[in-house]
Amino acid sequence: AQSVTQLDSQVPVFEEAPVELRCNYSSSVSVYLFWYVQYPNQGLQLLLKYLSGSTLVKGINGFEAEFNKSQTSFHLRKPSVHISDTAEYFCAVSDSEGGGTSYGKLTFGQGTILTVHP
Amino acid sequence: GAGVSQTPSNKVTEKGKYVELRCDPISGHTALYWYRQSLGQGPEFLIYFQGTGAADDSGLPNDRFFAVRPEGSVSTLKIQRTERGDSAVYLCASSLIAATGELFFGEGSRLTVL
Repeated sequence: AQSVTQLDSQVPVFEEAPVELRCNYSSSVSVYLFWYVQYPNQGLQLLLKYLSGSTLVKGINGFEAEFNKSQTSFHLRKPSVHISDTAEYFCAVSDSEGGGTSYGKLTFGQGTILTVHP
Repeated sequence: GAGVSQTPSNKVTEKGKYVELRCDPISGHTALYWYRQSLGQGPEFLIYFQGTGAADDSGLPNDRFFAVRPEGSVSTLKIQRTERGDSAVYLCASSLIAATGELFFGEGSRLTVL
């Protein structure tokens, strides 16, 4: 069984400030890690993913995340946010040992609403 | 369009009624997933199809929920004897068979059971 905890339900920040959205997970098996973003009135969109290799992964729109296996964390960061980054962000994991397309069987966190103020 | 299409976008029904929600995946995507998102929560896995067959239906909450994908493309999620607790946004996603790790989500069908 897997679980994902997003430690902040809401994060307000001013434009051009840095931001970190925190994500911790629990799993008895190795995992793949994802961040998805949901803009208002749109479907979920993949921001970035960690499958293997370098623990620092870069995604779209200047976001990056670092996989820390010892701390079971996958925090999302951006050095300077824009108004357009206002959205809800979801951290998710899937079983990397399941094979086939079971990677798409995701366990999501509860989401973090990022609000960027001018 | 080229994205995942879900219909209806909104459905209001009465307790006890039968509901069907449709998902039209991206052309060529062999894997299709259904998720349910309740208010204030992250999406929860329901079922996924590899082609026409349900590869994993462990997330379906009970036998009132059923999904089909008869020709390996369009899928229908069927809910019998709806209950107020079924109210949620039902999300569909599709992906290529290769393990790229990316799901493409539709905008969802919002179901309200009165």
